[in-house]
Amino acid sequence: GQQLNQSPQSMFIQEGEDVSMNCTSSSIFNTWLWYKQDPGEGPVLLIALYKAGELTSNGRLTAQFGITRKDSFLNISASIPSDVGIYFCAGQPVDSNYQLIWGAGTKLIIKP
Amino acid sequence: DAGITQSPRHKVTETGTPVTLRCHQTENHRYMYWYRQDPGHGLRLIHYSYGVKDTDKGEVSDGYSVSRSKTEDFLLTLESATSSQTSVYFCAISERAQGRIYGYTFGSGTRLTVV
Repeated sequence: GQQLNQSPQSMFIQEGEDVSMNCTSSSIFNTWLWYKQDPGEGPVLLIALYKAGELTSNGRLTAQFGITRKDSFLNISASIPSDVGIYFCAGQPVDSNYQLIWGAGTKLIIKP
Repeated sequence: DAGITQSPRHKVTETGTPVTLRCHQTENHRYMYWYRQDPGHGLRLIHYSYGVKDTDKGEVSDGYSVSRSKTEDFLLTLESATSSQTSVYFCAISERAQGRIYGYTFGSGTRLTVV
């Protein structure tokens, strides 16, 4: 099925570092959602974006809805150990009432 | 999330047996979904529902059926379980307003092992 292009696939971080990840699509979306999944749990919604250009923060997390409506970015500032996990983006295509397209996830790992 | 619960959380079953997973919501959301998650494949949609008795297939629906007789319950049935259906299954719910999805929330998952 259709997937968003989410990158990077994985990244090693040290505590205190800033982290960036993004998702791109060939089609236009009218909603972007960012989730985090911890081991053994379901994905948890971090940030929802509903308008092109929108910039929304949730604590140390900031996400943006790209102006072209084909991409979105998630930044984490001053990472801490509990940021480790898998981050997923999801987008709602303009021709969909309730279906989402999912990215494959970005796995954040703490450097030893 | 207390608004959506899945049962059971873990299940081991034998090949060829029927299995039913349950998703229960207290949010009164119209839309409900069943996903499976496997390493290297991310989240894949199995079936979804857009109202009571209204369901449709997702991208990996073969071998699965669903039923929704009440707003709050969405059942996923594996008619005859196979080892390829060993996976973690997630239920999700959502609503829609002004053409946009909101409240897209996941349950904690059911880990199913078919032996």
